[in-house]
Amino acid sequence: AQKITQTQPGMFVQEKEAVTLDCTYDTSDPSYGLFWYKQPSSGEMIFLIYQGSYDQQNATEGRYSLNFQKARKSANLVISASQLGDSAMYFCAMRVLFGNEKLTFGTGTRLTIIP
Amino acid sequence: DVKVTQSSRYLVKRTGEKVFLECVQDMDHENMFWYRQDPGLGLRLIYFSYDVKMKEKGDIPEGYSVSREKKERFSLILESASTNQTSMYLCASSPAPGDQPQHFGDGTRLSIL
Repeated sequence: AQKITQTQPGMFVQEKEAVTLDCTYDTSDPSYGLFWYKQPSSGEMIFLIYQGSYDQQNATEGRYSLNFQKARKSANLVISASQLGDSAMYFCAMRVLFGNEKLTFGTGTRLTIIP
Repeated sequence: DVKVTQSSRYLVKRTGEKVFLECVQDMDHENMFWYRQDPGLGLRLIYFSYDVKMKEKGDIPEGYSVSREKKERFSLILESASTNQTSMYLCASSPAPGDQPQHFGDGTRLSIL
């Protein structure tokens, strides 16, 4: 079974600062993918970034990057130059790549950007 | 852009009613999912389907059933609604295989009175 742990229920960050959201995972499967989603107060889940377990480089998408440390089983999301619009819930999730398509989610981190 | 549409943003029903939540996707995705989201618990998978008329139980299927008669439509059914099923329900779809993200609808906030 897979498990995702997000230990930060809430974070407050000053606008324009970088922020790191923590995510650790547990799986015995060697082939897996890690996902980060953003959920604004309006409720929709927005896909941000993906990292495969065999990817050699850390994934980046604009201001988002994923700090993937395989030996430590961590997949932290880094947001550079935070903006007020980054205030939202953030969820880390994982999926085994050659099993069923099920995503396992963490409990989320509520990020608040302070002007 | 992928569009996943859930039939209602807000829904209020009474205990014991049979409740239908509908989800439609427009990208010909094989996989469709129903999650519920509760504060402090994240998203939990109720059921998923990887093909028409195929379904698999997720982590919390009790009290729910699903129907997938057409590829684009996945329905969640609360057979006899109870107050502990008050929650946010999210539908998602994805293409096979496994490194593609799931795309979500806007969610249905369901209240059972």
